[in-house]
Amino acid sequence: QQQVKQSPQSLIVQKGGIPIINCAYENTAFDYFPWYQQFPGKGPALLIAIRPDVSEKKEGRFTISFNKSAKQFSLHIMDSQPGDSATYFCAAPSYNQGGKLIFGQGTELSVKP
Amino acid sequence: EAQVTQNPRYLITVTGKKLTVTCSQNMNHEYMSWYRQDPGLGLRQIYYSMNVEVTDKGDVPEGYKVSRKEKRNFPLILESPSPNQTSLYFCASSLLAGDRSPLHFGNGTRLTVT
Repeated sequence: QQQVKQSPQSLIVQKGGIPIINCAYENTAFDYFPWYQQFPGKGPALLIAIRPDVSEKKEGRFTISFNKSAKQFSLHIMDSQPGDSATYFCAAPSYNQGGKLIFGQGTELSVKP
Repeated sequence: EAQVTQNPRYLITVTGKKLTVTCSQNMNHEYMSWYRQDPGLGLRQIYYSMNVEVTDKGDVPEGYKVSRKEKRNFPLILESPSPNQTSLYFCASSLLAGDRSPLHFGNGTRLTVT
């Protein structure tokens, strides 16, 4: 069964720090790698996504870095804020199941004031 | 407001008592899916539907049923719930299946089976 491996499982940083969350995927037929953000009591919501014709994508304080040869991608949060405290999921399209998303295990981020 | 609505938000039941969790979306999306979220395991797909009357198993379908009689509704049915189905459940929809079409999630149903 295809997997996406996400690390770390949990992360605590001080306000202003730069948390980094890493994901590794197996073969995929599609080139689309999203990150979802989930606040307590809510469903996940799309945060940012990358198509690997580029190695990096920025949206505000959130950056995805992509390494296609290593089959890895990561999320960086610049100048992190307590409001960024949430669970983050990476995802990758499956290789042989119509491109459905396979999610990572999730990272619970806590940003301390 | 565009949204995916799940009900109920919380549900406590006993082993073997059939239950249904409803899911409805108002975005005219073709694709709908159910996930369960467990600590350390992320979001695992239970069942999905590409369109009306088209459903298929996800990664963890055992013990669950679904139906898609209308485009907007996609209920999740547990015919005989067991304690290992205690979990947080999410319904999601997207315009198209998979590739590059953002998933819109409901706010979840926390199920406890005793």
